[in-house]
Amino acid sequence: QVQLQESGPGLVKPSETLSLTCTVSGGSISTYYWGWIRQPPGKGLEWIGFFYYSGSTNYTPSLKSRVTISGDTSKNQFSLRLSSVTAADTAVYYCARQVVVGASPGLDYWGQGTLVTVSS
Amino acid sequence: EIVLTQSPGTLSLSPGERATLSCRASQSVSSSYLAWYQQKPGQAPRLLIYGASSRATGIPDRFSGSGSGTDFTLTIGRLEPEDFAVYYCQQYGSSPPRYSFGQGTKLEIK
Repeated sequence: QVQLQESGPGLVKPSETLSLTCTVSGGSISTYYWGWIRQPPGKGLEWIGFFYYSGSTNYTPSLKSRVTISGDTSKNQFSLRLSSVTAADTAVYYCARQVVVGASPGLDYWGQGTLVTVSS
Repeated sequence: EIVLTQSPGTLSLSPGERATLSCRASQSVSSSYLAWYQQKPGQAPRLLIYGASSRATGIPDRFSGSGSGTDFTLTIGRLEPEDFAVYYCQQYGSSPPRYSFGQGTKLEIK
C-alpha cells in the first residue's frame, strides 16, 4: 500500500520561502509522476506542479516563477519550495501520485495534507 | 487554458436518491483526460473516475461517469450517507502537461 506523508513548517513569514517534503512509502518515486496540490481554507483545489525522478518538472503558470519541485530517490522523498510567499499562499498542501491507466491520468494516492499559514 | 465549471454549486438530496453532477469545459477535452474526485471534510480528495467513465480501484458501482467534448457528468445511482461530500472534476492538459480542477459541487443531505 502506497502512503504519502507531508512534513514541514506550519507557519511561514511573508516574503520567506515555504518548504515541504513528501515522504513516500510502499512504492518508489523512481516510477510515476509525483505532484503537489493546494487548497486554501474553504476553497477548491489548485494544482501546483509535477516531478518525475529524471528531473522533469511542470508547474502551473501562475506559480511557475516561484515554485521548485525536486526529488531525492535515496530517501524516496520529493519536495516543494515556494518563494516570496504572501497570505494568499495560506493553504492545505497535499502531495499526490499520478497514475496513468491506458492513456488516462489520475491522482490515485494522496498525503493527508498539511496546513501552511503565512503570517508574521 | 481550459476552465472547468461545475454545476450546481450545491445539491441537496436525500439518501436513496440519484445525484447528477455536471462539469462543463470552456473548450473540448479528451475523454481520456477527465477525472472526478470526492473530498470529505478534513480529508484528502479520493479518485473516483478517470478517463471520464472508468471507476478507480475500490469505487462502488453506484458511481458512474459519462460525457465527451465539453460536457461531462458524474452520476451517483443511489445515495448512501457516506456519499455526501464535495466533488471535483479535473482535466489533464498534455501540452504542456498540467491539471486544472473545477470549483466543486457540494452534495449535502436534504
